[in-house]
Amino acid sequence: DQQVKQNSPSLSVQEGRISILNCDYTNSMFDYFLWYKKYPAEGPTFLISISSIKDKNEDGRFTVFLNKSAKHLSLHIVPSQPGDSAVYFCALYTGNQFYFGTGTSLTVIP
Amino acid sequence: DTGVSQDPRHKITKRGQNVTFRCDPISEHNRLYWYRQTLGQGPEFLTYFQNEAQLEKSRLLSDRFSAERPKGSFSTLEIQRTEQGDSAMYLCASSPQGLAGPDNEQFFGPGTRLTVL
Repeated sequence: DQQVKQNSPSLSVQEGRISILNCDYTNSMFDYFLWYKKYPAEGPTFLISISSIKDKNEDGRFTVFLNKSAKHLSLHIVPSQPGDSAVYFCALYTGNQFYFGTGTSLTVIP
Repeated sequence: DTGVSQDPRHKITKRGQNVTFRCDPISEHNRLYWYRQTLGQGPEFLTYFQNEAQLEKSRLLSDRFSAERPKGSFSTLEIQRTEQGDSAMYLCASSPQGLAGPDNEQFFGPGTRLTVL
């Protein structure tokens, strides 16, 4: 039973434009919501997080939005840069466990 | 380098053999996680340690899998009688204790890629 879904396996965006990555979940009990970025042959690296009591968190070019009523999480990257090309995973945390989505491969075209 | 390290990076084995992987977390982190990742999927939780205590195990973790963290520092993951379905990337992550703020962030190692022939 997949609790976390990233329905877009891939996304291509022109450099300088906005990238929007989406994540949907089914369990309302998650406490924290995180985004990780993964380059080939490396482990995921933390990007940004948001707690369940907030609806927006911003860090430079990266903004995470949380819509609890829709059980929807999104990551906005603006402006997108070629170095942002990677696989992005959303991860949801509750108790002692993290639940990861299947990932979205972002390609930023120069 | 004070990040999470994993050894070996790659392991090729024959079906039925036992394999053991090692993870060295960031030294001040008392939480350690093992994940398995297959192609096209996100990391899948296997087990979790707080210091030397194994507090959570996924129901996906069969009896052939065992993990230890004897002194609350490094951890090992052993797979006995490997099967072809065990072929995957095995990731280790560590985090400091804490449930609020950025303390819930995990730091991942580069992973061990297992191929079972």
